[in-house]
Amino acid sequence: QKEVEQNSGPLSVPEGAIASLNCTYSDRGSQSFFWYRQYSGKSPELIMFIYSNGDKEDGRFTAQLNKASQYVSLLIRDSQPSDSATYLCAVKETGGSYIPTFGRGTSLIVHP
Amino acid sequence: DGGITQSPKYLFRKEGQNVTLSCEQNLNHDAMYWYRQDPGQGLRLIYYSQIVNDFQKGDIAEGYSVSREKKESFPLTVTSAQKNPTAFYLCASSTAGSGANVLTFGAGSRLTVL
Repeated sequence: QKEVEQNSGPLSVPEGAIASLNCTYSDRGSQSFFWYRQYSGKSPELIMFIYSNGDKEDGRFTAQLNKASQYVSLLIRDSQPSDSATYLCAVKETGGSYIPTFGRGTSLIVHP
Repeated sequence: DGGITQSPKYLFRKEGQNVTLSCEQNLNHDAMYWYRQDPGQGLRLIYYSQIVNDFQKGDIAEGYSVSREKKESFPLTVTSAQKNPTAFYLCASSTAGSGANVLTFGAGSRLTVL
């Protein structure tokens, strides 16, 4: 059973701070890693994906992947109250089933 | 604009009734999925389809049924055999095969059993 683990939170950070969201996964064959943001009552939307070790930056968001440690993280710089949402980590293996496995999500609260 | 349309947005069901949730996409995606989300929980896969006229059970398929007669459409029926159907249902689509396969989600359907 493939597992994707996230701390459910809530993670509370002040406005302007860096929010760090973490995700670990059990399947060493995993090759693609996704971060989705879900506002309350809404559907998830993609923030970014990563498949190579290291960092990938997109605006205020940075995804970090460490395959040896089976760990992927999302950093949000200059956090804003509008970033308050649940962040879902999803992991997909190469080949075979292309179905991603989702974590339960981490609730982030950015307070003014 | 390309996207996924789910309907209805809200649905109420009486005990013993079957209900069907609609999902239509115009993204030309081969793969379509149905997920269930309960409060404070992640997404659990109900069914998925890679190609027309073929679909596979996910982790929680009991009490649900689907069809894939057209590439654009993947309706989900919640049957009376599903004992706890109150939840938020999400339809998604993606390209199939290897690669990133980013999921695009519909707005969701919220089902409540009375």
